[in-house]
Amino acid sequence: GNSVTQMEGPVTLSEEAFLTINCTYTATGYPSLFWYVQYPGEGLQLLLKATKADDKGSNKGFEATYRKETTSFHLEKGSVQVSDSAVYFCALRGPGGYNKLIFGAGTRLAVHP
Amino acid sequence: GAGVSQSPSNKVTEKGKDVELRCDPISGHTALYWYRQSLGQGLEFLIYFQGNSAPDKSGLPSDRFSAERTGGSVSTLTIQRTQQEDSAVYLCASSSGQGTMNTEAFFGQGTRLTVV
Repeated sequence: GNSVTQMEGPVTLSEEAFLTINCTYTATGYPSLFWYVQYPGEGLQLLLKATKADDKGSNKGFEATYRKETTSFHLEKGSVQVSDSAVYFCALRGPGGYNKLIFGAGTRLAVHP
Repeated sequence: GAGVSQSPSNKVTEKGKDVELRCDPISGHTALYWYRQSLGQGLEFLIYFQGNSAPDKSGLPSDRFSAERTGGSVSTLTIQRTQQEDSAVYLCASSSGQGTMNTEAFFGQGTRLTVV
């Protein structure tokens, strides 16, 4: 079945450092890919998405490119801020299984001043 | 309402009691999900409703867990004979677009369940 694997955390960075959180997936066909973020004390919210190969999703300085050849959707940001400290979840939806949304285990990011 | 609403926000129950958790999805959303998030852990899929199709119950951890969705809208997750390992935050999400996989899911704030 479909699945998502993302790098284990926690990831600890200094402010203005470069961030990469790896995410790879297994799916039949071509799913849609998502990154969700959970800030401390808040609910999950969509950060960005990509719905077809080579698409780049971007939001709040974060980017992720849908790579079909490597079945990956790595999250990147060029210069992190303390306010980016959160848990980040990679997810996919469909095809098959009535388009069920499947999440990775989450990666905790801590950014220090 | 404008978003996904879950109630109660917090629930403390004694071991062995039954609990019901409620989710009001965004109006018109055909897909509804329940997930469980234990302390410091990822999102564990529990159950998925999509329109009038039979629900995907493959994530329910035991037969003590059940869920229903009435009239394609409100959903109730029931845990019978609660155990301490059931303590977690239970999250509900909904999304639109039956038959499409491009739409995002919107999450509620969750119900924090504590079994003592």
